[in-house]
Amino acid sequence: RKEVEQDPGPFNVPEGATVAFNCTYSNSASQSFFWYRQDCRKEPKLLMSVYSSGNEDGRFTAQLNRASQYISLLIRDSKLSDSATYLCVVGSSGYSTLTFGKGTMLLVSP
Amino acid sequence: NAGVTQTPKFQVLKTGQSMTLQCAQDMNHEYMSWYRQDPGMGLRLIHYSVGAGITDQGEVPNGYNVSRSTTEDFPLRLLSAAPSQTSVYFCASRQQGVGEKLFFGSGTQLSVL
Repeated sequence: RKEVEQDPGPFNVPEGATVAFNCTYSNSASQSFFWYRQDCRKEPKLLMSVYSSGNEDGRFTAQLNRASQYISLLIRDSKLSDSATYLCVVGSSGYSTLTFGKGTMLLVSP
Repeated sequence: NAGVTQTPKFQVLKTGQSMTLQCAQDMNHEYMSWYRQDPGMGLRLIHYSVGAGITDQGEVPNGYNVSRSTTEDFPLRLLSAAPSQTSVYFCASRQQGVGEKLFFGSGTQLSVL
């Protein structure tokens, strides 16, 4: 089982749609969780951290289920500018590295 | 505040040539790392460092060397380039600690012929 697995893509949705991405991780000792966004031929950039209680940032909502080792990202009212690849990222304690999922591509069409 | 500066942006090498990818950060981050990104493979960790004088191997270290003589700089060396090293390379840094986010450089597109 891969350390961080994401839904295969691409997801093709119309503007205004709600879309959800899922991610599972294998290391039960993981302590930090993030969603990154990567535009074509650009570097990844942090979209949001994921907290145990769940957190929201505008149209974006992230959820964490430690028991199931599962992370989700919900995007409401999709915009054309949301088209990108979304990377699930998981880290363990302190000095450890972060492990990236392969990413899920989102294409929002008019 | 420049963040993470990575050079060059593009490079073409012939098999067997050597080169160094430069990475510098001005955020006083302890942790620095190099990733490569290939289609369908996602980001894979090559080497990382948790401070000056300390480096360690990641998932795909073969064919690459690193050193960390200062907090700011973390160069990646290809001693004898191979076509399998054709990829996009990203340098990244962060503070230590749980929950600290990773800042990326803008990437280097490397082609080895």
